[in-house]
Amino acid sequence: SSELTQDPAVSVALGQTVTITCQGDSLRSFYASWYQQKPGQAPLLVIYGKNNRPSGIPDRFSGSNSENTASLTITGAQAEDEAAYFCNSRDTSGHQLGVFGGGTKLTVL
Amino acid sequence: EVQLVQSGAEVKKPGESLKISCEGSGYSFSNYWIGWVRQKPGKGLEWVGIIYPADSNTRYSPSFQGQVTISADTSINTAYLQWTSLSASDTAVYYCARRLTGTTTVDHWGRGTLVTVSS
Repeated sequence: SSELTQDPAVSVALGQTVTITCQGDSLRSFYASWYQQKPGQAPLLVIYGKNNRPSGIPDRFSGSNSENTASLTITGAQAEDEAAYFCNSRDTSGHQLGVFGGGTKLTVL
Repeated sequence: EVQLVQSGAEVKKPGESLKISCEGSGYSFSNYWIGWVRQKPGKGLEWVGIIYPADSNTRYSPSFQGQVTISADTSINTAYLQWTSLSASDTAVYYCARRLTGTTTVDHWGRGTLVTVSS
């Protein structure tokens, strides 16, 4: 079992806003990073740190943090955003290796 | 441009050994932690372990400690993941992943190596 908990599946209507969450005690002390993974592809970093987007990631992706929860928000979801999303951070002991959340499958309707 | 180029897919029998590789380019290979991440079919991501190539400092997930060996050769900018005796449960895609300094964030991923273990 993962120390970072995500809802297995979320859906959003095309063009609407969706928030994907990641819960864990370690998130009270450490930021999460977020990855998008489409079938047959490697994960892709979309958000890291407080709310940083790598070059090339659309600004409709944003991140936030509150207590033990990290959130990834997609404002105006597009069909190409349909994918699995994984969070990643330190584990509860703060070990360097870290841990992934179980992933959330986002469906764009 | 940062690139992580992984070795090709492998099909092995239970009990066989295997070493897969990940060649980094476009950055100072020695000075970034490189990790290996396992993804079983239809499942999530799991850290196998990480290595700092400059001094070969290595960390393993408890689930993989003693089951695999991670190494790196800075002369050819390549990291490795090695098994001495594979089992069917090792069947998965293995990604190499460059981590941002001081964080667990992966900013670059390899395309993955599919390892299939079947009799």
